[in-house]
Amino acid sequence: AQSVAQPEDQVNVAEGNPLTVKCTYSVSGNPYLFWYVQYPNRGLQFLLKYITGDNLVKGSYGFEAEFNKSQTSFHLKKPSALVSDSALYFCAVRDITSGTYKYIFGTGTRLKVLA
Amino acid sequence: GAGVSQSPSNKVTEKGKDVELRCDPISGHTALYWYRQSLGQGLEFLIYFQGNSAPDKSGLPSDRFSAERTGGSVSTLTIQRTQQEDSAVYLCASSLQAGGGNEQFFGPGTRLTVL
Repeated sequence: AQSVAQPEDQVNVAEGNPLTVKCTYSVSGNPYLFWYVQYPNRGLQFLLKYITGDNLVKGSYGFEAEFNKSQTSFHLKKPSALVSDSALYFCAVRDITSGTYKYIFGTGTRLKVLA
Repeated sequence: GAGVSQSPSNKVTEKGKDVELRCDPISGHTALYWYRQSLGQGLEFLIYFQGNSAPDKSGLPSDRFSAERTGGSVSTLTIQRTQQEDSAVYLCASSLQAGGGNEQFFGPGTRLTVL
């Protein structure tokens, strides 16, 4: 079975400070990992993904994430937070050896960047 | 270009009534997913369609829920005999294909309220 955990319901960070939104996963085989963002009153948007290759992936709006196989983590990071980054962030995983194309999403982490 | 569209944007119904939610995916996308987003529950996978293959219905919560995709394009999610616990935002997403690590493009959702 595949699962994903976002251990923090909310993360608060001051504008200009680095931010981290945590995600850990559990799959039997190898994962595809994604981050999506949901701005207020808007649909979910793709941010970045890990498929294969470099463990550090870069995405939209200056975000990046590091795939860590030994820790089964895929934390989202940004060196300098903006107030406009305040949104709901979702991590998602698919086990590519499971025989299904089903994606499992985390419960979401609300990021609040304070001016 | 046009994104994923969903209709209606809001639906209020009485307990016991049937409802139909519609999703128009991005043209050329062979994969289509339905999710349910409840407050504090994240995104719950319901069903996905990939091309002409049999859909993966493993996320449908009960036999009151069904979905179909006609002509490989438009999809309809039907909830029969609605219950108050069905109240949620129903999200549709499409991707180029279900495999290959393609990101999903989400529609704005249908907010369902069951009185």
